Amino acid sequence: AQTVTQSQPEMSVQEAETVTLSCTYDTSESDYYLFWYKQPPSRQMILVIRQEAYKQQNATENRFSVNFQKAAKSFSLKISDSQLGDAAMYFCAYRSGANFGNEKLTFGTGTRLTIIP
Amino acid sequence: GAVVSQHPSRVICKSGTSVKIECRSLDFQATTMFWYRQFPKKSLMLMATSNEGSKATYEQGVEKDKFLINHASLTLSTLTVTSAHPEDSSFYICSARDIRPGRGYEQYFGPGTRLTVT
Repeated sequence: AQTVTQSQPEMSVQEAETVTLSCTYDTSESDYYLFWYKQPPSRQMILVIRQEAYKQQNATENRFSVNFQKAAKSFSLKISDSQLGDAAMYFCAYRSGANFGNEKLTFGTGTRLTIIP
Repeated sequence: GAVVSQHPSRVICKSGTSVKIECRSLDFQATTMFWYRQFPKKSLMLMATSNEGSKATYEQGVEKDKFLINHASLTLSTLTVTSAHPEDSSFYICSARDIRPGRGYEQYFGPGTRLTVT
């Protein structure tokens, strides 16, 4: 079974600074997807960024980028120019690459990010 | 877009009663929906996978007779908590898988339902 580990229960960063959230995973599969989700106080889960394991290039979405190290099974999220609206719980998630329609997400335990004004 | 709604957003019920939570994909069809439970300050725990037109697949340790799931159409799945007890109080979240071409089979999440059993 796949596991996802987030070793930082809480992180804080000064507004406008850069912060990196860590995530490691364990799998025997070669084809899979990795995700970072944001859960603000509203509890709505929002997809931040997605990485396909077969792609060597790290995914980026505006101020959000990942450092995907497949051999090390590491998938960290970097938030640049942190904004107050980035304050949330961040979950790393894994999904098998098979597309039979019912592949489930495996979530890490989350990192609570606080932005300091 | 890919919007998923849940109803109700909050519900309070008495111990021993049943409560139904609806999950709808508003602008796409979803053959598969997922139901999660989230305790305060904890991660999402998958309860079951709901497949349209067939029985749901429950995760180990989840009581299928207590948490009834019905996926009667391509846009609606329901979770019924039967004979609710205070320990069932939690935040329940659904997600729906978008299988339209080019959508990457992404899961889109509903806003969640807070259930309080008194």
